Amino acid sequence: DIQMTQSPSTLSASVGDRVTITCRAGQAISSWLAWYQQKAGKAPKLLIYKASNLESGVPSRFSGRGSGTEFTLTISSLQPDDFATYYCQEYNSYSWTFGQGTKVEIK
Amino acid sequence: EVQLVESGGGLVKPGGSLRLSCAASGFTFSDYNMNWVRQAPGKGLEWVSSISRSSSYRYYADSVKGRFTISRDNAKNSLHLQMNSLRAEDTAVYYCARVHDSGDYSLVYWGQGTLVIVSS
Repeated sequence: DIQMTQSPSTLSASVGDRVTITCRAGQAISSWLAWYQQKAGKAPKLLIYKASNLESGVPSRFSGRGSGTEFTLTISSLQPDDFATYYCQEYNSYSWTFGQGTKVEIK
Repeated sequence: EVQLVESGGGLVKPGGSLRLSCAASGFTFSDYNMNWVRQAPGKGLEWVSSISRSSSYRYYADSVKGRFTISRDNAKNSLHLQMNSLRAEDTAVYYCARVHDSGDYSLVYWGQGTLVIVSS
């Protein structure tokens, strides 16, 4: 199985901040990476697919970059609705793996 | 509107069995691979199983291989997960999820989840 390591595990930030979450894959996964946002008690929501493609309806302040083993999710200006937990997921293989999650908290 | 509605969760004793279902609507079910993803209380997401459009391919996480079986009924627009030999560590909310429209395998639509509790 491919290991996915997210950092940081927790991130404290203020409204308007630019925040970046990193996801590292244990082996090259090309661009087969997605980012999800999850709020408490809710199902995850797809934000970014194929590393850098913004899902329809997702605000443009979200962006994804990377390929191979290192990927980032950036929120250009944090909004109150963005405080949540974020997960990366690889789908290069047929045993998909999620990162452990990054909780974005209010500073 | 795409809808995925899970059912079948509940309390089961260790070693017991449970069958989860996911009713799909709002899209041509037979055109898409489907997945189960779970989340233990207070923990992260864990992919459980995938099934291809015509059931030709089925994949499982190592943690459930040999105990869980994924299936689908394209005529009834339904996805299932048969869970046998359940363990305490299988306690989780189980989500069904559909892959993306573009042929990409990211998970674009999710159900609301059904809770499975394995406890004596």
